[in-house]
Amino acid sequence: EAGVTQFPSHSVIEKGQTVTLRCDPISGHDNLYWYRRVMGKEIKFLLHFVKESKQDESGMPNNRFLAERTGGTYSTLKVQPAELEDSGVYFCASSQDQGYYEQYFGPGTRLTVT
Amino acid sequence: DAKTTQPNSMESNEEEPVHLPCNHSTISGTDYIHWYRQLPSQGPEYVIHGLTSNVNNRMASLAIAEDRKSSTLILHRATLRDAAVYYCILRGNTPLVFGKGTRLSVIA
Repeated sequence: EAGVTQFPSHSVIEKGQTVTLRCDPISGHDNLYWYRRVMGKEIKFLLHFVKESKQDESGMPNNRFLAERTGGTYSTLKVQPAELEDSGVYFCASSQDQGYYEQYFGPGTRLTVT
Repeated sequence: DAKTTQPNSMESNEEEPVHLPCNHSTISGTDYIHWYRQLPSQGPEYVIHGLTSNVNNRMASLAIAEDRKSSTLILHRATLRDAAVYYCILRGNTPLVFGKGTRLSVIA
């Protein structure tokens, strides 16, 4: 069974540009989460999809971030326009169900904004 | 979210058992205790979770104190591949909240 995959593995963009990160969850997992770790900080939750609906987006830092999950399969996280403080590693995770179920993480996308 | 307290770092010799402690004195009755680990350059990886009783799986064991205010993750035989940051997380029906975790070094 394939795990959670993320693309690209690394992205370097200039301040003001747009970047789109993609996450493919484990097949059959309705729950999809985005997290990120910015330099020197802990991993922080961004948002949670159940199928195509946003269940919780309380962690989204501002309106420059837009997450979508059309059709309830893969998800994209767009940053527009990117700022220097957006640099970090963005992780996607999926789980079979909500609540106490374990989450399976992808390898992350390292975003560098220069 | 309730807080957990873990040592910043621990060291173990290869093939010896490792006991990683976690204090969570403000745990609520519905909080599960989850452990994840993050190996270098990888995403976090689920290790184990429990509510009240001790739990075992192929990766580790979780020992939970009777009052649930602390727990211990036990790696029975540490290998070099176990070198990682280990996170103890209390979880209700909420997303994962990561702290700083414990950085485990394994010495050959």
